[in-house]
Amino acid sequence: DSGVTQTPKHLITATGQRVTLRCSPRSGDLSVYWYQQSLDQGLQFLIQYYNGEERAKGNILERFSAQQFPDLHSELNLSSLELGDSALYFCASSPGTGGSTDTQYFGPGTRLTVL
Amino acid sequence: AQSVTQLGSHVSVSEGALVLLRCNYSSSVPPYLFWYVQYPNQGLQLLLKYTTGATLVKGINGYEAEFKKSETSFHLTKPSAHMSDAAEYFCAVSGGYQKVTFGTGTKLQVIP
Repeated sequence: DSGVTQTPKHLITATGQRVTLRCSPRSGDLSVYWYQQSLDQGLQFLIQYYNGEERAKGNILERFSAQQFPDLHSELNLSSLELGDSALYFCASSPGTGGSTDTQYFGPGTRLTVL
Repeated sequence: AQSVTQLGSHVSVSEGALVLLRCNYSSSVPPYLFWYVQYPNQGLQLLLKYTTGATLVKGINGYEAEFKKSETSFHLTKPSAHMSDAAEYFCAVSGGYQKVTFGTGTKLQVIP
């Protein structure tokens, strides 16, 4: 158990809908990262927040947005969902700002299925 | 820029045999290197990491990896495979101000 929690574990929805994925980082960790894992794209970094501020952006679509709240939990919002958005979404956390030696600890993931 | 190449998307070994998962990296600055394991329907778990110092790094579950700068490699090994080692393994690199870049993963199958 990494100490990172994600809810829900599974989510099934329809195209065009909007969903929110939630992540609670390990106690004391200030950075939260979001990743998308799919069969064709592999593990893709989406976005990082550090202590409430956006720190780095990866391959995140404009239909997707995220935020980190004062209690450090984070939410990833996915809107206008398409079939291709079906994937595993992972949250990870780390103690620091995300520098080279900052080890990331991953949550169990949320499996999103868009029908 | 940095990148990671994992050679072999699928590797099969017999139970009790040596496990060797290959990883080559590219980095313009001294790299920090990681191996993660992902069991079915679970998140990624850190196996081991290299930052500085000793080039042979020991991790959990009997795994180890050796940083070879001249070969730009960070291969993962385990002397004797167990059925429970069946999983997907990811090599990752970071360095300087670069974020972690993950490889495409290698699925390990252990044959009884």
